[in-house]
Amino acid sequence: GAVVSQHPSRVICKSGTSVKIECRSLDFQATTMFWYRQFPKQSLMLMATSNEGSKATYEQGVEKDKFLINHASLTLSTLTVTSAHPEDSSFYICSASLEGLSYEQYFGPGTRLTVT
Amino acid sequence: AQKVTQAQTEISVVEKEDVTLDCVYETRDTTYYLFWYKQPPSGELVFLIRRNSFDEQNEISGRYSWNFQKSTSSFNFTITASQVVDSAVYFCALSEDTGGFKTIFGAGTRLFVKA
Repeated sequence: GAVVSQHPSRVICKSGTSVKIECRSLDFQATTMFWYRQFPKQSLMLMATSNEGSKATYEQGVEKDKFLINHASLTLSTLTVTSAHPEDSSFYICSASLEGLSYEQYFGPGTRLTVT
Repeated sequence: AQKVTQAQTEISVVEKEDVTLDCVYETRDTTYYLFWYKQPPSGELVFLIRRNSFDEQNEISGRYSWNFQKSTSSFNFTITASQVVDSAVYFCALSEDTGGFKTIFGAGTRLFVKA
């Protein structure tokens, strides 16, 4: 159990376009979802925490208007990279947790974004 | 503030050697969780273990073992009789009660196991 999927797994987009990444909890309801980004050969950096039905909480230095997060249901959160630029190219990973068990996170397989 | 330090950037061993990956953490909370994850070249994180701050008991799972010592704020990970398939990046992570248990990752240790 506790499977999290991400779609797409890989995406290439042109500079200036927007791209949406979906994160789904397949067999449980996730009240909280987290979004991370990982540059090559670096660690995972938390971008934001999203709770279903409320606005996401962004980490310091993460642009809210650039990385739009929507957590409209208990099984789906989306991250939209708006007006993407080559420096946004990265590996984006989401995780999901059950209500009251935020310490127990289930990670998605990640989405590799390349902006040309 | 919470912090996780993995001082070893890269480790290279020969198959069948034992290897220990170090992890030192900082936290002001009394309730927290520590994790180890494996990230193979595919990129997908593989959960290895979770330990809460009230459970200092060491754990063994097959060739893997973990040593949690609150006195030194360390949570080290040992692979016994390493195999080529163990080659990956290993992350230690910390999740605190304060701040909604968001997870902070260490920089990671890249392990190369040569045949």
